[in-house]
Amino acid sequence: DGGITQSPKYLFRKEGQNVTLSCEQNLNHDAMYWYRQDPGQGLRLIYYSQIVNDFQKGDIAEGYSVSREKKESFPLTVTSAQKNPTAFYLCASSIQGILSPLHFGNGTRLTVT
Amino acid sequence: EDKVVQSPLSLVVHEGDTVTLNCSYEVTNFRSLLWYKQEKKAPTFLFMLTSSGIEKKSGRLSSILDKKELFSILNITATQTGDSAVYLCAVAPGGGSQGNLIFGKGTKLSVKP
Repeated sequence: DGGITQSPKYLFRKEGQNVTLSCEQNLNHDAMYWYRQDPGQGLRLIYYSQIVNDFQKGDIAEGYSVSREKKESFPLTVTSAQKNPTAFYLCASSIQGILSPLHFGNGTRLTVT
Repeated sequence: EDKVVQSPLSLVVHEGDTVTLNCSYEVTNFRSLLWYKQEKKAPTFLFMLTSSGIEKKSGRLSSILDKKELFSILNITATQTGDSAVYLCAVAPGGGSQGNLIFGKGTKLSVKP
């Protein structure tokens, strides 16, 4: 079955540590996205990538970094510079950017103490 | 500033009731409006609307867009407990940005037996 796999489901880290969230898709989609979801808030875009080796900042990119070395993979690193990293992170992909519906992974819940 | 506003923010109904969820928007160069259902983790795609007045339907769910008044509604008839979820509305603006869907905060629907 094609889909998007995010790992791990839950992640706990101490403040000051960088952490990398994994996102893999086998849908052969060109575009991939990272969103952050906080309680009572809409999804906010962190980074997106339209093609391999290229990515763009979203609305809340500060304190985050990404790479897109392979079409299937779009890992997100939450750095120690992110002031409030505890959140639910969703990865998504689409065939034609925002011209087509996004397919989401099951998310990673990150808790930083 | 582009924005999407959903109402109500939460709603409690009983099985068999019909519900209407609202989504209004202000965006530059509207391209499309999308509805997603988020039960626990991954939002799942429901509808994409691009033209005014054309109803999209899937089983007990239907949606319509009014581009003149800048809103969309999502109707669910004969609700079931399995319809309990957060329903997200998102708008894709036109123009240069290919990454940024604008999400509303969602409507949390609870269907009681």
